[in-house]
Amino acid sequence: DVVLTQTPLSAPVTLGQSASFSCRSDQSLVHGDGHTYMNWLQWRPGQPPRLLIYKTSRRLSGVPDRFSGGGAGTDFTLNISRVEAEDVGVYFCIQATHYPFTFGQGTKLDIK
Amino acid sequence: QVLLQESGPRLVKPSETLSLTCSVSGTSFTSSEYYWTWIRHLPEKGLEWIGWIYYNGHTRYNPSLSSRLSLSLDTSKTQFSLNLKSVTAADTALYFCVRDHAWYGLDRWGQGTLVTVSS
Repeated sequence: DVVLTQTPLSAPVTLGQSASFSCRSDQSLVHGDGHTYMNWLQWRPGQPPRLLIYKTSRRLSGVPDRFSGGGAGTDFTLNISRVEAEDVGVYFCIQATHYPFTFGQGTKLDIK
Repeated sequence: QVLLQESGPRLVKPSETLSLTCSVSGTSFTSSEYYWTWIRHLPEKGLEWIGWIYYNGHTRYNPSLSSRLSLSLDTSKTQFSLNLKSVTAADTALYFCVRDHAWYGLDRWGQGTLVTVSS
């Protein structure tokens, strides 16, 4: 199975500042169809997970443009600019290139 | 509004079968764009992809669970179901049903249901 390693595991951030999370895969996530199926989920307290980013860098409709994804191959990032209180939660990367799909262990964002 | 709702017993005894149903509304259940998926969050181990079932009944399972797992669907009721047999305490988890969109990914989630395996 593909192993995804997220860093940091915890990210205390000051309101209004930026946050950057890393997700590293132990194998390339480039699919045979040319797409890279690296997605990012946000899991806020008391709510189910929510898809933010798909195919590495595409924002799902309704997701604020403060969220952006990037990377290629085996190294990926999720960036949050101008962090707001509602951004508190755990952020997971998930790869959907290789079966079985696998998740990173999550990065917990909280406010300093 | 797309809604997915899990239902089923919250407590299952070891060695028995865990059965959950997901009721889907607000979306085309038989669209070729969707894979109806189960995911669980295990204490201490994190999120695990269980598998999906397609509108035509085709399935894909996580190999780690495939010997105990069965997914099914009822298009007339717009429901899909999970059966996991011979459960142990290691199967205690928060179970989610999820719509996996062929283009976007895991774009709609149920609220999740906590299932505990205990005698």
